[in-house]
Amino acid sequence: GENVEQHPSTLSVQEGDSAVIKCTYSDSASNYFPWYKQELGKGPQLIIDIRSNVGEKKDQRIAVTLNKTAKHFSLHITETQPEDSAVYFCAASPNNFNKFYFGSGTKLNVKP
Amino acid sequence: DARVTQTPRDKVTEMGQEVTMRCQPILGHNTVFWYRQTMMQGLELLAYFRNRAPLDDSGMPKDRFSAEMPDATLATLKIQPSEPRDSAVYFCASGPGYSETQYFGPGTRLLVL
Repeated sequence: GENVEQHPSTLSVQEGDSAVIKCTYSDSASNYFPWYKQELGKGPQLIIDIRSNVGEKKDQRIAVTLNKTAKHFSLHITETQPEDSAVYFCAASPNNFNKFYFGSGTKLNVKP
Repeated sequence: DARVTQTPRDKVTEMGQEVTMRCQPILGHNTVFWYRQTMMQGLELLAYFRNRAPLDDSGMPKDRFSAEMPDATLATLKIQPSEPRDSAVYFCASGPGYSETQYFGPGTRLLVL
C-alpha cells in the first residue's frame, strides 16, 4: 500500500517568515494530495489540495508544489502569522475510492 | 455553512462497556469515513462507505468494532466491549463522491478507563 512520510515533525518560525513542510509518497498511482490543518481540539480542516496533473497551486499565502517524478510534494506558507500555529497533515490518495494515506503531521509554531 | 456533526463530543466509559458514536455527514455527500487519531499511530482509517455500502473496513478490529449507515444522514461506529487501548479521538469525514475531497467533523474524544 501507499506510504506517506512527512518532515519535519516540528517547525518553529518567527512571525512573518516562511514555513515549508515536505512529504514523500511511495505509490506512483497516487493522484490527489490534500493538506489539512488541525487546531487543538478540532477536526482536520482542508486548506489546499493538488492533483497529479498540476505542478503547483496557490491560494493567498499558501502554496503546494508537486514533483511526480521524485514523488514528493510540499506545503509553503508565506508571511506566517500566529494563527497559522497548528498541526499540518499531508495525505496521498491513489485512484481507489477516495482512500487517504496520511503523513504523521507537522506541529508548526509561529512565534510573535 | 454545511459541516459534519458528531456526537457525543466526549465520552468516558469503563472497560467492557459498549460505546456508540454517531456522525451526520454533510447533506448530499455519499462517501463517509471513520478515522481514529492517537499520538502513537496518527490518523488511521477504520472504515468507509459509499452510498451507504461498506467499501473497506480492514482498519477495524473486527471482533469488537462495527460500523453502519442506517440511512444517508447517519453513520454509526460501535465498540463492544471497549478496552483502554481504544482511547483515542474518533473522526468522521464525508465527501461528495464526485471528487476526492473529505470534510472532517469535530471528533469524539473517547476515554476508556
